[in-house]
Amino acid sequence: AQTVTQSQPEMSVQEAETVTLSCTYDTSESDYYLFWYKQPPSRQMILVIRQEAYKQQNATENRFSVNFQKAAKSFSLKISDSQLGDAAMYFCAYRRNPRAGGTSYGKLTFGQGTILTVHP
Amino acid sequence: GAVVSQHPSRVICKSGTSVKIECRSLDFQATTMFWYRQFPKQSLMLMATSNEGSKATYEQGVEKDKFLINHASLTLSTLTVTSAHPEDSSFYICSAIRYKGGTGETQYFGPGTRLLVL
Repeated sequence: AQTVTQSQPEMSVQEAETVTLSCTYDTSESDYYLFWYKQPPSRQMILVIRQEAYKQQNATENRFSVNFQKAAKSFSLKISDSQLGDAAMYFCAYRRNPRAGGTSYGKLTFGQGTILTVHP
Repeated sequence: GAVVSQHPSRVICKSGTSVKIECRSLDFQATTMFWYRQFPKQSLMLMATSNEGSKATYEQGVEKDKFLINHASLTLSTLTVTSAHPEDSSFYICSAIRYKGGTGETQYFGPGTRLLVL
């Protein structure tokens, strides 16, 4: 079974600074997806960024970028120029590629989450 | 973007009663939906996979007779908490998979339903 571990229960950052959230995972699969989701106080889950395991290039979305180290099974999220609106709980998630078949199609495995506080 | 709705957004019920939560994909058809449960400041735990026209697949440890799931159409899945007890109080979130030719598939989450059992 796949596991996702976020070892930082809480992180804080000053507005306009950069922060990195850590995530490691364990899987025997070679083809999968990794995600970072944001859950603000409204509790609506928002997709921040997605990485396909077979792509070596790290995904980026504006101020958000990842450092994907497949061999180390590490997938960290870097938030640059932090804004007050970035304050939320962040979840790292894993999903096996549906092309691989099987019954776990579409299922997401989430990490424990990291609460990010942004100080003005 | 695609939208998934949930109804109700919050519900309070008495112990022993049943509560139904609806999850709808508003602008796309979803053959597969998922139901999650989340306790305060904790992660999302998958309860079951809801498949249109077939029985739901439950995760280990989830009582299928207590959490009834029905996916009767391509845009609606329902979760019924039967004979609810205070320990069932939680935040329930659904998600739906949308398939789109160019971008593949994307999973969209509903806004969640807060259940409080007195």
